[in-house]
Amino acid sequence: DAKTTQPPSMDCAEGRAANLPCNHSTISGNEYVYWYRQIHSQGPQYIIHGLKNNETNEMASLIITEDRKSSTLILPHATLRDTAVYYCIVRALGLTDSWGKFQFGAGTQVVVTP
Amino acid sequence: DSGVTQTPKHLITATGQRVTLRCSPRSGDLSVYWYQQSLDQGLQFLIQYYNGEERAKGNILERFSAQQFPDLHSELNLSSLELGDSALYFCASSLGAESNYGYTFGSGTRLTVV
Repeated sequence: DAKTTQPPSMDCAEGRAANLPCNHSTISGNEYVYWYRQIHSQGPQYIIHGLKNNETNEMASLIITEDRKSSTLILPHATLRDTAVYYCIVRALGLTDSWGKFQFGAGTQVVVTP
Repeated sequence: DSGVTQTPKHLITATGQRVTLRCSPRSGDLSVYWYQQSLDQGLQFLIQYYNGEERAKGNILERFSAQQFPDLHSELNLSSLELGDSALYFCASSLGAESNYGYTFGSGTRLTVV
């Protein structure tokens, strides 16, 4: 069963903020929310992760709702190079079986237009 | 350059053949993960090695095997190849047996079976 739900695609204008939603209504207390992106046929790239607090790094911000059932990845000033598939993944740490690994779903295809 | 090196970048081979894909992890990383990405399956976790030992298994076929050598590089061996094995194969690495900060992926090997 899919642990996360993301829209299949979204467009964003260059220079504007891109807000990527993710629903994870069955998230457990020990599961983190991770975001990766994959630019066409390149290896996935780690973006950010969080447990319950909002997080920010040089690439993006992660906003997690108080009930932790959904989150939003924010790219503050989208550029053409941000065109990629964005994956939202929930994952618990410390598991040794295959489900402790990153399980990638279909993600959101984000297209940044000039 | 992510620091994870995969060779070769492209490989074309015939059905029934055997190939070996190679991965050198980022300097200092002890874990290596292999993923397969095909058009109809998305990114699938295959197997993880940590410091030379198998750590976790995912959707890896019996025709596929992997190993991690003392210098920490890893090889993924694919045998009795079928047309359906055509895919991108990604290697990723992390410092420990599990990574709180995500994996670093290589640029992949594109395998085409004809």
